[in-house]
Amino acid sequence: KAGVTQTPRYLIKTRGQQVTLSCSPISGHRSVSWYQQTPGQGLQFLFEYFSETQRNKGNFPGRFSGRQFSNSRSEMNVSTLELGDSALYLCASSLMTSMRTVRGQETQYFGPGTRLLVL
Amino acid sequence: TQLLEQSPQFLSIQEGENLTVYCNSSSVFSSLQWYRQEPGEGPVLLVTVVTGGEVKKLKRLTFQFGDARKDSSLHITAAQPGDTGLYLCAGRTSGTYKYIFGTGTRLKVLA
Repeated sequence: KAGVTQTPRYLIKTRGQQVTLSCSPISGHRSVSWYQQTPGQGLQFLFEYFSETQRNKGNFPGRFSGRQFSNSRSEMNVSTLELGDSALYLCASSLMTSMRTVRGQETQYFGPGTRLLVL
Repeated sequence: TQLLEQSPQFLSIQEGENLTVYCNSSSVFSSLQWYRQEPGEGPVLLVTVVTGGEVKKLKRLTFQFGDARKDSSLHITAAQPGDTGLYLCAGRTSGTYKYIFGTGTRLKVLA
């Protein structure tokens, strides 16, 4: 099975611009989560989608948004970029369908990430 | 705010030494995962534990989930340079789809 893929791998933008990142989950995985990783804050949860619905959201401003398509592919968008948005953005997919703990469904598989640099 | 504290933050050891990394929280987790991450890449899953007291072994790596499911440890026996990387723990609390990541332990194994 192909792993989680993310595009683009690298991106350079300037302050005030907007950016859209894409994530294709592992085939059969319907849960997709997004994370921001920075040296200072570590890995922080942005949001999670399942069947085109956002089920959970982290503590990020409204400039960060996402969506999921019927084929489970997901995109995240950041509008009005700020210098502090420079980070590695990671996408992860899993088989998790409900909040009930099911061994085997708990595992998140990460993509290689998109490195965003805001100048 | 849910927090997962990892210790130590940094560890530099010689090849062949043993080490233990700890992951602690005041929250109870329904599942906990350990990852290793290389620079510029996404985290790669090492193990998932879901039962309190569970011990899992992966070659020279031993993972333990605390009885109360609030903490976990990763023990590496006879560390090798290939073990170098950032080790992350991540937990999910029941009633949420959100995973909380630990602060990370950066390990360097010197040949």
